[in-house]
Amino acid sequence: DGGITQSPKYLFRKEGQNVTLSCEQNLNHDAMYWYRQDPGQGLRLIYYSQIVNDFQKGDIAEGYSVSREKKESFPLTVTSAQKNPTAFYLCASSLSGGPHNEQFFGPGTRLTVL
Amino acid sequence: AQSVTQPDIHITVSEGASLELRCNYSYGATPYLFWYVQSPGQGLQLLLKYFSGDTLVQGIKGFEAEFKRSQSSFNLRKPSVHWSDAAEYFCAVDSGGYNKLIFGAGTRLAVHP
Repeated sequence: DGGITQSPKYLFRKEGQNVTLSCEQNLNHDAMYWYRQDPGQGLRLIYYSQIVNDFQKGDIAEGYSVSREKKESFPLTVTSAQKNPTAFYLCASSLSGGPHNEQFFGPGTRLTVL
Repeated sequence: AQSVTQPDIHITVSEGASLELRCNYSYGATPYLFWYVQSPGQGLQLLLKYFSGDTLVQGIKGFEAEFKRSQSSFNLRKPSVHWSDAAEYFCAVDSGGYNKLIFGAGTRLAVHP
């Protein structure tokens, strides 16, 4: 079955540590996205990539980094510079970066900083 | 700046009752509008979308939404709610045509038996 997988489902991190969240899709989509979700704030865009080896900052990129070395993979690293990393992280993909393409979402990773 | 407002944080309805979830957007040109649903601890699923044409759009699970330019609104409706509709609903706008979505804060729907 085609879809988006995110791992792990739950992640715990000590303060000062970097952590990488995985996002893989087998939908053959060109575009991929990372969102952060906090209670009462909806989803906010962290980074997006419209094609392999290219990505752009979203609205809240500070303290995060990404790579897009393969079409199917778009890992997100939460660095120690991110002041408040505890949140629910959602990865999404779409056929391309144009507006007529539905974004498909993964099941999310809940990150907790201890 | 573009924005999306969902005025209702929580809504409770009885099973079988009708439902309307409100969404207002701020954008100069004709926006691309979406409604997504999220079950607890899960990702988002697209219910419906509006790009152009008929202002009443039909979606999955019996939902529909109406685009009203004069009111900058895109309200979601369902004539008869089922207990399985309990979830959080997000309205979103693609402001620049590059599939960069701006989401509202969400409306959490509870359904009483």
